[in-house]
Amino acid sequence: QSALTQPRSVSGSPGQSVTISCTGTSRDVGAYNYVSWFQQLPGKAPKLMIYDVNKRPSGVPDRFSGSKSGNTASLTISGLQAEDEAEYFCCSYAGSYTFYVFGTATQVTVL
Amino acid sequence: QVQLQESGPGLVRPSETLSLTCTVSGGSITNHYLSWIRQPPGKGLEWIGNIYYTGDTNYSPSLMSRVTISAGTSKNQFSLKLSSVSAADTALYFCAREVRDYYDSRGRGQFSYFFDYWGQGALVTVSS
Repeated sequence: QSALTQPRSVSGSPGQSVTISCTGTSRDVGAYNYVSWFQQLPGKAPKLMIYDVNKRPSGVPDRFSGSKSGNTASLTISGLQAEDEAEYFCCSYAGSYTFYVFGTATQVTVL
Repeated sequence: QVQLQESGPGLVRPSETLSLTCTVSGGSITNHYLSWIRQPPGKGLEWIGNIYYTGDTNYSPSLMSRVTISAGTSKNQFSLKLSSVSAADTALYFCAREVRDYYDSRGRGQFSYFFDYWGQGALVTVSS
């Protein structure tokens, strides 16, 4: 299965907004509204930040938001904070044969 | 708080079978699929397969011939076996719980596919 494409890194100053893209195909991101986003800190378990494209689990700050257009999903962090510095990756359902594909991961740096 | 913990040998010889166990605590696995996912060093994540609490399994087409996922010896455990391993199977192996349905804030049933909890991962190196 081919990975979803994400930028290797994005950065922003505290208070700014950053957006991470996640580009797939018409067989995964474009076909289903089942895109999720995860935050991963070194040595820690990935943490669910967004599911079903734009839904936030309880406890995730509302500065995290998700969207999708065509074959590309996006995660936006508004009002960037130092604690948001981490690696982020996306995941999409890809049908009952492949099931899941993942993004190539993006390092978010708070300047 | 649901927690998942992977365990097993960190070193496996080439051509042998990799075996890992995932223990789930703090929550139920009933009505959930449980997945294995791996990440080779410097590479992206790859879904390996999953098992439903009833024992139903699904596998990645690329690994299907070598993978077996089964229920563990304890009620909240499940295991991964990957046979005939090579250096290409060296990776950080994660277990994760899947969500297929949930109730939204308005109490309506929704259908979905996402992972709500993950383990920290277990590094397995294939080397002689």
